[in-house]
Amino acid sequence: DAGVTQSPTHLIKTRGQHVTLRCSPISGHKSVSWYQQVLGQGPQFIFQYYEKEERGRGNFPDRFSARQFPNYSSELNVNALLLGDSALYLCASSFRATNNSPLHFGNGTRLTVT
Amino acid sequence: GQNIDQPTEMTATEGAIVQINCTYQTSGFNGLFWYQQHAGEAPTFLSYNVLDGLEEKGRFSSFLSRSKGYSYLLLKELQMKDSASYLCAVRDLGYQLIWGAGTKLIIKP
Repeated sequence: DAGVTQSPTHLIKTRGQHVTLRCSPISGHKSVSWYQQVLGQGPQFIFQYYEKEERGRGNFPDRFSARQFPNYSSELNVNALLLGDSALYLCASSFRATNNSPLHFGNGTRLTVT
Repeated sequence: GQNIDQPTEMTATEGAIVQINCTYQTSGFNGLFWYQQHAGEAPTFLSYNVLDGLEEKGRFSSFLSRSKGYSYLLLKELQMKDSASYLCAVRDLGYQLIWGAGTKLIIKP
């Protein structure tokens, strides 16, 4: 079975541009979460979607948005990029959005903003 | 506020045992996870604790004390491939995962 897949793997953008990151969950997983990870820190929660509905939003500005499609894949959009948005963006899927459902992470998209 | 504390870095010897501690203060508790993350790779799931006590899975064990807001990950028979960062994460009342900054474990021959 394929794991969580993310595209692209690397991306370089300039300040002010926008970016779309894509994620395909493990087959059968209905919950997708997005995280931002800066080097040397733990992942920071951005969004969670379950059954195509937003279930949670972290402390990120409105420049960050996301959606989940009928096939449970997801997109993360970031507008008006800032240098501080440079990070590893991780997508994780789980079967449910509940307690003991572990997250399975993709390999991430490394975003560099210059 | 919500806070998870882990040591920044630890060093251990191949074949030995190491214990990585995690203390947490969160708005509610719905389980604690441990993940392993090799440099440049995604985190991979190691263990889950929701009740007090020890969960054993091969060379790895995880312990939880909810009254103390404390957990540890115990790694036995250390191998060089265990060199990685180990992340503690707590699921709060809103079912969101709050992550620690991770403990970088260095294994020496």
